[in-house]
Amino acid sequence: EAQVTQNPRYLITVTGKKLTVTCSQNMNHEYMSWYRQDPGLGLRQIYYSMNVEVTDKGDVPEGYKVSRKEKRNFPLILESPSPNQTSLYFCASSPTLTGEQYFGPGTRLTVT
Amino acid sequence: GENVEQHPSTLSVQEGDSAVIKCTYSDSASNYFPWYKQELGKGPQLIIDIRSNVGEKKDQRIAVTLNKTAKHFSLHITETQPEDSAVYFCAASTGGKSSGDKLTFGTGTRLAVRP
Repeated sequence: EAQVTQNPRYLITVTGKKLTVTCSQNMNHEYMSWYRQDPGLGLRQIYYSMNVEVTDKGDVPEGYKVSRKEKRNFPLILESPSPNQTSLYFCASSPTLTGEQYFGPGTRLTVT
Repeated sequence: GENVEQHPSTLSVQEGDSAVIKCTYSDSASNYFPWYKQELGKGPQLIIDIRSNVGEKKDQRIAVTLNKTAKHFSLHITETQPEDSAVYFCAASTGGKSSGDKLTFGTGTRLAVRP
């Protein structure tokens, strides 16, 4: 089954404790993105990747890092999480940069 | 950069009635306008899209219209059913492959269909 998986689905952590949210896709898509969803703000892109070892900032990259060492994986790293990063995070993959996005199920992160 | 505004933020309709969600965009170069549906606890999923060379597109009970002159596009759902209850997002992009091109989403509309 074609899908995007994210782990963990739920995470509660404390300020400053490094964390990684994993994302994997099995559709051989070149493009992958991370979004955060906040009430009243919709979906905002954090980072995206056009291919292995090629990443670029989206609209709200501050406080986040990504890497793309393999085509199928695109982890999101928060090296020092803060409460304003409490949000619902989605990973997505797509065959083209702006074409249909295939979203994962989401990761709800709470930073206290 | 592109700015996409979406209205209303919430919408409640009676089952069987129609629902309309409207979006405006700012970049006249945008040429691809998808709509995503997000059910509770799930990621958004593409339900319909339209490109700038088409004014209207239908798929069963859903349709999207595009007015490039006014820079707005709308989602129409007819004969609404309880399973249409979800959050809907519009988006716009220039559809290119350069690193400056991106998909910009609206802020979402929470649709509730009352049985």
